[in-house]
Amino acid sequence: EAGVAQSPRYKIIEKRQSVAFWCNPISGHATLYWYQQILGQGPKLLIQFQNNGVVDDSQLPKDRFSAERLKGVDSTLKIQPAKLEDSAVYLCASSLVWGGGDEQFFGPGTRLTVL
Amino acid sequence: DAKTTQPNSMESNEEEPVHLPCNHSTISGTDYIHWYRQLPSQGPEYVIHGLTSNVNNRMASLAIAEDRKSSTLILHRATLRDAAVYYCMLGGGGGSNYKLTFGKGTLLTVNP
Repeated sequence: EAGVAQSPRYKIIEKRQSVAFWCNPISGHATLYWYQQILGQGPKLLIQFQNNGVVDDSQLPKDRFSAERLKGVDSTLKIQPAKLEDSAVYLCASSLVWGGGDEQFFGPGTRLTVL
Repeated sequence: DAKTTQPNSMESNEEEPVHLPCNHSTISGTDYIHWYRQLPSQGPEYVIHGLTSNVNNRMASLAIAEDRKSSTLILHRATLRDAAVYYCMLGGGGGSNYKLTFGKGTLLTVNP
């Protein structure tokens, strides 16, 4: 079974530039999550989708971050414009069902460095 | 939001049991308790989860306190491959209150 795919694996940009990350979840998984993990900290949930609908985006900085999952499959997370404090690993995860009682499968993450 | 508290680090010897604690005193009745572990430069890996009863799987056991305000991940025989950061995470709440909250994690060192 193929795992969660993310690209790119690494990205270096200058502040005020834009960047986009892509995630392809495990086939058949209805729920998709984007996390931000700053060095030395646990993952912080940014947004979660149930199929193509947003379940929770309360911790997404909506003035600069946006995410979409148009066809209920793959997803894109965008930052525009980037700030220095956005330097982190962005993790995508998926689960078969929604509701907190299911295992999440994580991708390898995208390491973003903002200079 | 419910939060979790874990020790920053723990140390164990190979082939000995390891008990990793997590406090979650503000847990709600519908929150599941999850444990994940993470190796350097990798995404977190699922270990185990439960709601009220103790749980066992091939990787570990999860002991949940009767009041659910704390839990313990038990690795029965630590190996060098178990060295990782272990995260306790609460997931649930239901409906519009659905939240997922990771703790800061415990760095487990396994000595040969």
